[in-house]
Amino acid sequence: DSGVTQTPKHLITATGQRVTLRCSPRSGDLSVYWYQQSLDQGLQFLIQYYNGEERAKGNILERFSAQQFPDLHSELNLSSLELGDSALYFCASSNRQSTDTQYFGPGTRLTVL
Amino acid sequence: AQTVTQSQPEMSVQEAETVTLSCTYDTSESNYYLFWYKQPPSRQMILVIRQEAYKQQNATENRFSVNFQKAAKSFSLKISDSQLGDTAMYFCAFMKPDSMDSNYQLIWGAGTKLIIKP
Repeated sequence: DSGVTQTPKHLITATGQRVTLRCSPRSGDLSVYWYQQSLDQGLQFLIQYYNGEERAKGNILERFSAQQFPDLHSELNLSSLELGDSALYFCASSNRQSTDTQYFGPGTRLTVL
Repeated sequence: AQTVTQSQPEMSVQEAETVTLSCTYDTSESNYYLFWYKQPPSRQMILVIRQEAYKQQNATENRFSVNFQKAAKSFSLKISDSQLGDTAMYFCAFMKPDSMDSNYQLIWGAGTKLIIKP
């Protein structure tokens, strides 16, 4: 158990819908990272927050957004969902901005029908 | 831009054997971090081992060790006395430290599927 929690574990929804994925980092970690892993592919970095502020953006679509709250949990919002958004979404946390090891949550499997 | 290459899409070995997974990377940075993560069938992403580029000594974690060759930009993972539970996808990842462009992402290889046979 990495100490990073993600909810829900599974999510099935229809095209055009909007969903919210939630992540709670390890106790004491200030950085949260979001990654997308499509079937049989590697991970793609989406976005990073550090202590409530956006720090880095990767290949995140405009239909996607995220935020980190004062209690340090983070939410990833996916809207106008398309079939191609079906993937495993990971959250990871680390203690500092960048150089600390990232520990991953169990992921949320999103299926868009 | 940094890239990470894992040239072995799939490997298979017998239980108790030793196996080495390859990873090469391309960077102009002198200070960086390298990681191996494993992803078993449960899809959980688990840290296996970490190496700081400024350290000459190769990192080890129980049965897992790395061969870090900085000049060759090579970072291979050796698994000794392999076990059935080692069956997983193994990803090599690169991270550069704080920089002005605020790019803190891990850069991932495509992964190597390792199958341990009984």
